[in-house]
Amino acid sequence: NAGVTQTPKFQVLKTGQSMTLQCAQDMNHNSMYWYRQDPGMGLRLIYYSASEGTTDKGEVPNGYNVSRLNKREFSLRLESAAPSQTSVYFCASSQTGALNEKLFFGSGTQLSVL
Amino acid sequence: GQQLNQSPQSMFIQEGEDVSMNCTSSSIFNTWLWYKQEPGEGPVLLIALYKAGELTSNGRLTAQFGITRKDSFLNISASIPSDVGIYFCAGHTGANSKLTFGKGITLSVRP
Repeated sequence: NAGVTQTPKFQVLKTGQSMTLQCAQDMNHNSMYWYRQDPGMGLRLIYYSASEGTTDKGEVPNGYNVSRLNKREFSLRLESAAPSQTSVYFCASSQTGALNEKLFFGSGTQLSVL
Repeated sequence: GQQLNQSPQSMFIQEGEDVSMNCTSSSIFNTWLWYKQEPGEGPVLLIALYKAGELTSNGRLTAQFGITRKDSFLNISASIPSDVGIYFCAGHTGANSKLTFGKGITLSVRP
């Protein structure tokens, strides 16, 4: 089973460029999440989708947009990348619509913005 | 918002040793989760705890949900080199709360 799949694995952008990070899960989970991980900061929630058709801001949403394309897919878009968005991005999913379930993570996207 | 405190940031142990990691908060948590992240990968769930006082094992790993509901610990017994990684605690303060993560402890195991 693939679980949570993220693409791409690595990406280098120039300041001002845009890109979309893709995420898909095959566990029939209702909820999906985007986190960023920075040294010494742990995991910080960017956006989440409690169920298909809904999205909400997390702790650090500025500079990002998301789309819950269907139950399987949840994408993260950077419209105009900035160096401060250099980070490792993780997509995750969980079974229930409530935000109290254990999360399953993808393997991450390492993004560098020059 | 709620914070989870994990310290120290790094731990270095000898292969075969036991190690214990704590996670503390000033807030009461209803769920505690322990994750491990290996280099180049996403965090993987190790143990989930749902009740105060609960003690749960997963192989050489044992975790407990503190009685005060403000802390949890993870023990690794007889460490081996593949135990290296970052260990995160995480928790929920309520049924509809977002999952809060600690900043993680990087564990190194010397052969």
